[in-house]
Amino acid sequence: DARVTQTPRHKVTEMGQEVTMRCQPILGHNTVFWYRQTMMQGLELLAYFRNRAPLDDSGMPKDRFSAEMPDATLATLKIQPSEPRDSAVYFCASGLEVGWTYEQYFGPGTRLTVT
Amino acid sequence: KQEVTQIPAALSVPEGENLVLNCSFTDSAIYNLQWFRQDPGKGLTSLLLIQSSQREQTSGRLNASLDKSSGRSTLYIAASQPGDSATYLCAVNDYKLSFGAGTTVTVRA
Repeated sequence: DARVTQTPRHKVTEMGQEVTMRCQPILGHNTVFWYRQTMMQGLELLAYFRNRAPLDDSGMPKDRFSAEMPDATLATLKIQPSEPRDSAVYFCASGLEVGWTYEQYFGPGTRLTVT
Repeated sequence: KQEVTQIPAALSVPEGENLVLNCSFTDSAIYNLQWFRQDPGKGLTSLLLIQSSQREQTSGRLNASLDKSSGRSTLYIAASQPGDSATYLCAVNDYKLSFGAGTTVTVRA
């Protein structure tokens, strides 16, 4: 049963600390997406990779967020320094090409709390 | 920017009733539309993907239609069950997803 995995599932940290979230996409999927979900804003796209290359990170605050895909089995999202407003659930999704788009499969999310 | 709206925000029905969930979008030049289910504290499960060239998709008790000209998609769930209780999200899929706020469904036993 192929699934997207994310670690950690929960993270509590203090303001100013670095946070790293990891995602393992489904084997064979060549696209990875990072989304953030909050009560106020709902689900928002942060960044998007295809074949490990970043194609769209316009939704990501550049001064503190960074996303990388060091190899085909690992994507990372880093926040440095973290702030209380970063508290949210961060989802990774990997995409299976269907026609002209990707059907996206979501991981269970990382629930981040910054105090 | 694509705006996606889902009305109502919440819906409660007795078991066995058919569910009709609505989704509207502002830019009719969409590529595709995807419906998801989210259980509390969980990730999103893809239910149906309707490609731009299609008018509907079916999977079991679920049927989703797409009318690009009117900017609408509808998800039908036949013979609802308590296990169908969840939040249902629609998203315009033009390689990246633009989500609606979701409709939270409660099916009463």
